Amino acid sequence: SQQGEEDPQALSIQEGENATMNCSYKTSINNLQWYRQNSGRGLVHLILIRSNEREKHSGRLRVTLDTSKKSSSLLITASRAADTASYFCATDAWDGSARQLTFGSGTQLTVLP
Amino acid sequence: NAGVTQTPKFRVLKTGQSMTLLCAQDMNHEYMYWYRQDPGMGLRLIHYSVGEGTTAKGEVPDGYNVSRLKKQNFLLGLESAAPSQTSVYFCASSVTSGRTDTQYFGPGTRLTVL
Repeated sequence: SQQGEEDPQALSIQEGENATMNCSYKTSINNLQWYRQNSGRGLVHLILIRSNEREKHSGRLRVTLDTSKKSSSLLITASRAADTASYFCATDAWDGSARQLTFGSGTQLTVLP
Repeated sequence: NAGVTQTPKFRVLKTGQSMTLLCAQDMNHEYMYWYRQDPGMGLRLIHYSVGEGTTAKGEVPDGYNVSRLKKQNFLLGLESAAPSQTSVYFCASSVTSGRTDTQYFGPGTRLTVL
């Protein structure tokens, strides 16, 4: 089962606008990560936020984490056409022998030039 | 460094055929993973390995086997392919599976089972 669920499933914006994607999860976590996947490619790690952090920045990316609501958001500011991709949140979970990442189903972002 | 590489990139099988997907990483990572990605879904973990000579089941292990004879390689086998195994397969690796684990992904293998 999916631990993280992204919302919306698809988002289309104009270049220069901000894009916000949300992720909700079910169980307690140690960290939450966001990954990007360009069409036909593997996933690329964007940013990690620990459970004791509330906000983190990396370039044009801003991630927030609300552990009380079990939710996170990814904000991409001043979007570019090159930001067009699928974005996945991933939460860690203990499976009895190791911590594993569980991925959501993703948000497909399209940035129109 | 090449990072994580996967072989082959594309494959078409007939039902009942077998094949092995190869994943290689040159980052000296301890942990390696095999995922499958189906349309409209996130990645689901098939099997993983926490070190050379070890393997463990993930969320969807049925119909697959794996081996980690060398630290840098992680093989995924399909003994008798079924159409339900049509998917894109991704390999990943990480230094450890600790609290700050980041996974590095290969480019994927697109498998079609007819």
